Amino acid sequence: NAGVTQTPKFQVLKTGQSMTLQCAQDMNHEYMSWYRQDPGMGLRLIHYSVGAGITDQGEVPNGYNVSRSTTEDFPLRLLSAAPSQTSVYFCASSNPPGMRQYFGPGTRLTVL
Amino acid sequence: LAKTTQPISMDSYEGQEVNITCSHNNIATNDYITWYQQFPSQGPRFIIQGYKTKVTNEVASLFIPADRKSSTLSLPRVSLSDTAVYYCLVGDIGGGATNKLIFGTGTLLAVQP
Repeated sequence: NAGVTQTPKFQVLKTGQSMTLQCAQDMNHEYMSWYRQDPGMGLRLIHYSVGAGITDQGEVPNGYNVSRSTTEDFPLRLLSAAPSQTSVYFCASSNPPGMRQYFGPGTRLTVL
Repeated sequence: LAKTTQPISMDSYEGQEVNITCSHNNIATNDYITWYQQFPSQGPRFIIQGYKTKVTNEVASLFIPADRKSSTLSLPRVSLSDTAVYYCLVGDIGGGATNKLIFGTGTLLAVQP
């Protein structure tokens, strides 16, 4: 039981590049979410999903896309990276939403 | 959405009991209160969860008054390793309206020798 896994751990992009941050969980959780955390700040919700095929926007969705084709995976896509998207990205899952969330180790993204 | 408010920071000394209070004035009937701990460069880690009155586990206690508009995380006899940011979160475990699990600013607890 690996819990919540995220890849890559580190990534450096140039402005305008696109990429996908991967998140997977093996706990059969229906609820998954993406947060970003800027240096010295709290966690901000980007997108979330209550089940396969269902996604919704969080607090800061602009510049990011998500999809949920399976219960296990919830990838986050950056369409055209900007320096303002430099942050640490955490994926989390729980079942149901308000129960304890399990967080992945994070992806540290730098956009130059 | 039940917004949470916490003190930005707190200081303590090793061996003391620390109480961190969170305000959530518009908590909904089906909402539960969950507390997380976060160390630098790590994802948040679950500490404790409750609905009302008092909940205790091996690391903390959670006190929730009858009106549920606030909650207090109690850490007994803190050590240097308890220095971290603590977040409270309010969410509907029934999968209802509060699906947006939004974190507040958190409380930075600094434990000194």
